[in-house]
Amino acid sequence: GENVEQHPSTLSVQEGDSAVIKCTYSDSASNYFPWYKQELGKRPQLIIDIRSNVGEKKDQRIAVTLNKTAKHFSLHITETQPEDSAVYFCAATPGKLIFGTGTRLQVFP
Amino acid sequence: GAVVSQHPSRVICKSGTSVKIECRSLDFQATTMFWYRQFPKKSLMLMATSNEGSKATYEQGVEKDKFLINHASLTLSTLTVTSAHPEDSSFYICSASGGATTDTQYFGPGTRLTVL
Repeated sequence: GENVEQHPSTLSVQEGDSAVIKCTYSDSASNYFPWYKQELGKRPQLIIDIRSNVGEKKDQRIAVTLNKTAKHFSLHITETQPEDSAVYFCAATPGKLIFGTGTRLQVFP
Repeated sequence: GAVVSQHPSRVICKSGTSVKIECRSLDFQATTMFWYRQFPKKSLMLMATSNEGSKATYEQGVEKDKFLINHASLTLSTLTVTSAHPEDSSFYICSASGGATTDTQYFGPGTRLTVL
C-alpha cells in the first residue's frame, strides 16, 4: 500500500521568510496530491492540490511541485505570515488519502 | 461550496454506552465518505471508507463491530462507536468527496469524544 513520509516535523521561520515542506510517496499509481492546513482543534482545510499530469501549481503565496520520477512533492510558502502558523499535512492517493505525519509550522513576527 | 458538517462537536459519555456521530454534505452529493481518527499531535488515520448504499470498507486493525458505519444517503453518513471505552476517546473526523472534483475530500469540523 501507499506510504507517505513528510519532513520536517517542525519548522520555525521568521515572518517574511519562505517555508518548504517535503513529502515522498511509495505507490507510483498515486495520482492526486493535496495539502491540508490544520489549526489546533479544527478541521483540515485544503490549501492546494496537484495532479500527476502537472509538475507545478501556484496559488498566490503557495506553490506545490511534483516530481513523479523521484516520487516526491513539496509545498512552498513565500512571504510567511504569523497566520500561516499551523500543522500542514501532505497526502497521496489513488482512491483513498494516505496522510503524511504532519509539519508544525511556526512563523515568528 | 463543498461544505461538510458533523455533529455533535463534542460528546462525553460513560464507559459501555454507544455514541453516534453524523456527517453531512450540505451542498453536494457525497458519493464517498471517509472516517478518520486523530490522536493529539498526530496525523489522520483512515478508519473506513463508505459508499452510499453499500457496506463500508474498513482499514486493517479497525473493528467493524466496534465502529458501525452507515451511509444511507448521498448526504449523510453515521459512525456509531459501540460499547465505548476510555481508549476510544479521540478526535473523529469525517470527509466527503463527490463534488466538482471527485477525488477532492472536504472535511467536517470533527467530533471530540471523551469516554469516562
